[in-house]
Formats: sequence, structure tokens, C-alpha cells
Amino acid sequence: GENVEQHPSTLSVQEGDSAVIKCTYSDSASNYFPWYKQELGKRPQLIIDIRSNVGEKKDQRIAVTLNKTAKHFSLHITETQPEDSAVYFCAASNPQGGSEKLVFGKGTKLTVNP
Amino acid sequence: ETGVTQTPRHLVMGMTNKKSLKCEQHLGHNAMYWYKQSAKKPLELMFVYNFKEQTENNSVPSRFSPECPNSSHLFLHLHTLQPEDSALYLCASSQGGRGHAQYFGPGTRLTVT
Repeated sequence: GENVEQHPSTLSVQEGDSAVIKCTYSDSASNYFPWYKQELGKRPQLIIDIRSNVGEKKDQRIAVTLNKTAKHFSLHITETQPEDSAVYFCAASNPQGGSEKLVFGKGTKLTVNP
Repeated sequence: ETGVTQTPRHLVMGMTNKKSLKCEQHLGHNAMYWYKQSAKKPLELMFVYNFKEQTENNSVPSRFSPECPNSSHLFLHLHTLQPEDSALYLCASSQGGRGHAQYFGPGTRLTVT
């Protein structure tokens, strides 16, 4: 089955710097890759996703890149702000049947220092 | 924030109790999911329902019993749990099919004493 590795497990940056979180996946059939942000005590919230027919996607300060050949994808946050502090999870999906089965990475705790 | 709701938000139960967790989605989705989130572990998929049919049981012990009476409601019935079952239980929903985002509820923080 699918296996998702996420690095680093913790990341500390200064406000205004960029942050990059990387994930690798094992199943070449996976074709959907969402990223979730989970603030302390809150639910995971989808922040951006990418499908395997696209190499890069941007949404304001957030971007995701996908390298299908190397089977890795990355989250890039530019001009970080203290409110970006949270745990970020990547996930990969190899659709089975009619539903979406997501396999998650272990998460990256991002701290943005003012 | 109110698209997927879960009750109760917190639950403390003894190992001999029986309780149920409830999830409701107001997004018109067709697929619903139960996840377990423990400290220092990735989110673990437990069950998947697609159009009310269970399509995934991720080797979950029988002390967890899901129920999906319709596409908007999902339950997780709990009985004779163990302390290691203490965790945050998250419900999610999606449009179903392939390549659709999942949206999570706020979770139920379960403590088994």
C-alpha cells in the first residue's frame, strides 16, 4: 500500500522568511495530493491540493510542487506570518473504487517567530 | 466551519461503557470517513462509506462499529474500549469518487479510563 514520508518533523522560521515542507510517496498510481493545516485544538483544514496532471499550483503565499518521476511533492509558504504557525500534513491518494483513500504523512510543526 | 459537525466534542468513558460518536455533514457529499488521530502518529483512516456503503475497513478492532444510515450522517459505536483507544476521532466528508478534497469535522476527544 501507499506510504507517505514527511520532512522535517519540526520547522522554525523567522517572520517573513519562507518555509518548505517535503513529502515523498511510494505508490506511483497515486494522483491526488492535498495539504492540510491543523492549528492547536482545531480540525485539519485543506489549504491547497494538486493533481498529478499538474506540476505546480499557487494560491497567494502558498504553493505546491509535484515531481511525479521522483514521487515527491512540496509545500512552499512565502512571507511567513505568526498565524502560519501550525502542524501541516501532506497526504497522497490512490483512488480505490468510488471513494478517496488518503494516506497522511506524520506532520510538520511549523513555528513562525515574530 | 459548520459544514461537518461532530458530537460530543469531549467524551470520557470507562472500559465497560458503550457510547456513540455522531457526525453530520451539510455539504451534500456522498462519502464519509472516520479517522483516529493520536499523539505523534499520522492520521489513521478507520472506515470509509461511499453512498452509504462501507468501502473500507482499515483493520479496525471490532470494538469500533460504524453505522451510516444516510449520506449525511455517520456514527461510530464504541464498546469495551481500551486506554490505548484514547485519541481524537475525526470525521470527514467528500464528494466521493476520485480526486476530491476531504473536509473534516472538529473531532471528538475521547478518553478511556
